[in-house]
Amino acid sequence: QQQVKQSPQSLIVQKGGISIINCAYENTAFDYFPWYQQFPGKGPALLIAIRPDVSEKKEGRFTISFNKSAKQFSLHIMDSQPGDSATYFCAASRQPGTYKYIFGTGTRLKVLA
Amino acid sequence: EADIYQTPRYLVIGTGKKITLECSQTMGHDKMYWYQQDPGMELHLIHYSYGVNSTEKGDLSSESTVSRIRTEHFPLTLESARPSHTSQYLCASSESGQGDGELFFGEGSRLTVL
Repeated sequence: QQQVKQSPQSLIVQKGGISIINCAYENTAFDYFPWYQQFPGKGPALLIAIRPDVSEKKEGRFTISFNKSAKQFSLHIMDSQPGDSATYFCAASRQPGTYKYIFGTGTRLKVLA
Repeated sequence: EADIYQTPRYLVIGTGKKITLECSQTMGHDKMYWYQQDPGMELHLIHYSYGVNSTEKGDLSSESTVSRIRTEHFPLTLESARPSHTSQYLCASSESGQGDGELFFGEGSRLTVL
């Protein structure tokens, strides 16, 4: 019940295409869902986040879609660029306000030039 | 750019050695965390701290210990390293209060125990 399941494990997209990464959770107590981006040799950095009171949040080319009834959320990267090549982690806040996140297993995205 | 620093970045040591991974942040954050990142990428919380003299174990059982004597400093220690401790260790911090709880990560310490 504490897991966050992320798919796919790896993804290859052509430049200009749409990258879609999916996550699913079980614990309905989760109330904050961030996505982190990690480049090789670096620590993860917050990319975008959403709370369950909205179904979608967009920041530039990055959009989170949230389906509360299905307990699923996804990251969409529009017009994917080679610079987006990184590992993406979804996460969920296990105890609201404590920021002790459960992370997904990560998706390694490669955008071909 | 986050102001959280980890040293060493890379460490290769023999079995049985004592090691300390250093983590410091200059943002004045009360909350700090240690995550273990497996070679396959997954992150697991192993320690966290809500402030000075406050430390607790995370989800993943770890033989490491931590201390929080100063707000800015959160070192992790392994008294006797084993090959099973080989991993990347990521330190993070976050603000207190009711904010969104963004984690600021360091660049990690990659530990290899031979």
